[in-house]
Parts: sequence; structure tokens; C-alpha cells
Amino acid sequence: DGGITQSPKYLFRKEGQNVTLSCEQNLNHDAMYWYRQDPGQGLRLIYYSQIVNDFQKGDIAEGYSVSREKKESFPLTVTSAQKNPTAFYLCASSIPGVTYNEQFFGPGTRLTVL
Amino acid sequence: QKEVEQNSGPLSVPEGAIASLNCTYSDRGSQSFFWYRQYSGKSPELIMFIYSNGDKEDGRFTAQLNKASQYVSLLIRDSQPSDSATYLCAVKASSASKIIFGSGTRLSIRP
Repeated sequence: DGGITQSPKYLFRKEGQNVTLSCEQNLNHDAMYWYRQDPGQGLRLIYYSQIVNDFQKGDIAEGYSVSREKKESFPLTVTSAQKNPTAFYLCASSIPGVTYNEQFFGPGTRLTVL
Repeated sequence: QKEVEQNSGPLSVPEGAIASLNCTYSDRGSQSFFWYRQYSGKSPELIMFIYSNGDKEDGRFTAQLNKASQYVSLLIRDSQPSDSATYLCAVKASSASKIIFGSGTRLSIRP
């Protein structure tokens, strides 16, 4: 089955610790995205990548880093510089350049800072 | 002004009635518009997309787009309890390959 997987489903982080969230897709999509969602809020774009070895900052990139070494994978690292990282993190992918550019989402990772 | 605005709700609609969800956007150059449904604790799922002025129907769902007024709406006919969710309006930015999401409208269908 084609789709997007994210792991882990739940993640707990101590203050000052870096953590990495995994996102893998087998849809053969070129573009991948990371969003953050806070309770009762919409999705805010952290980073996105339209092609391997290239990525752009979204609206709230501070305190986060990404890499795109493979088409299938787009891991997100939440660094200690991110002061309020507790949130629901969603990864998505799409085919860039298509008029409608619909995005498909993974199941999400819920990160909690202890 | 937010780039994509929605009434946060909650919007309460009786079962079997029509639910009407509205969204306005600020980017006049936007060409593609999406409605996602999100159940509590789950990821969003796409239910409709539209890029031409007018109406687009898919089953019980109808998306309406008016680019002159920068307005997009979603109608849900014969509302069911399973339609109770948060509905996110999203707009593809004209200047970049990214989608801007509204904060969502919480819809509750009462039996």
C-alpha cells in the first residue's frame, strides 16, 4: 500500500534535548512538508522540500532543522532552541507543479516536553 | 489580516440538514483551494479541491468558489453524525509551492 508513515506516534522530550521525527513516503512524490499544529489551531508550515538535497524554510522554522538526502525520507529535528515544542507534528507529500497540488498527510507525531 | 480566515465555530447542525462552512483568503493570485476534514487526534484528509469559479459537487459535498470575492465555501448535504469534525480550508500560495491553512471550523452534527 502506498502512503506516508511517521514515527514515533508519541514522543517525550526532556528540556534541552534534540529529537528527530521520522517521515517516510512511498508515493514517489517529489515534494514533502512538515507542519506543526497546536490545540484548536490550523497547520503552520515549518519546512518544505520540492526536490532531493533542497529545502526551504516555512513560516516557523526557528528551532527546527531538516534534511532531504533521499526522495522517500524527510526527517525533522526539533532542537533545544525551540522553546515551546509541545505540539502535533504532521508530515505531508505532494507532486509539485500540478495545478491543484493536493497534499497527503501522514498520521502525525505528538511531541510532549517533560 | 490572516491569509486564510475561517469561523472557528463550533457550528451545530441537526442531522439531515445542510452544513455550510465558509472561508476567505487574501492572496488574489491563488488558483487552488482545498477542504480537509480532521477528526480529533487524527491527521487531515482531503475531501474536496476546486480551482474554477462556480460549484463542484462530489456526493454529499459541494465546494463553491468565488475568486472575485476571494471566498470559498463547503456545503454538506444530509449531514450525518460522522461529519462531526474540524474542517480546514487551505489555499495554494500564488508565489510558492506551499499551501496556507486556515485555523479550521469545528462542526458538530446533533442527532
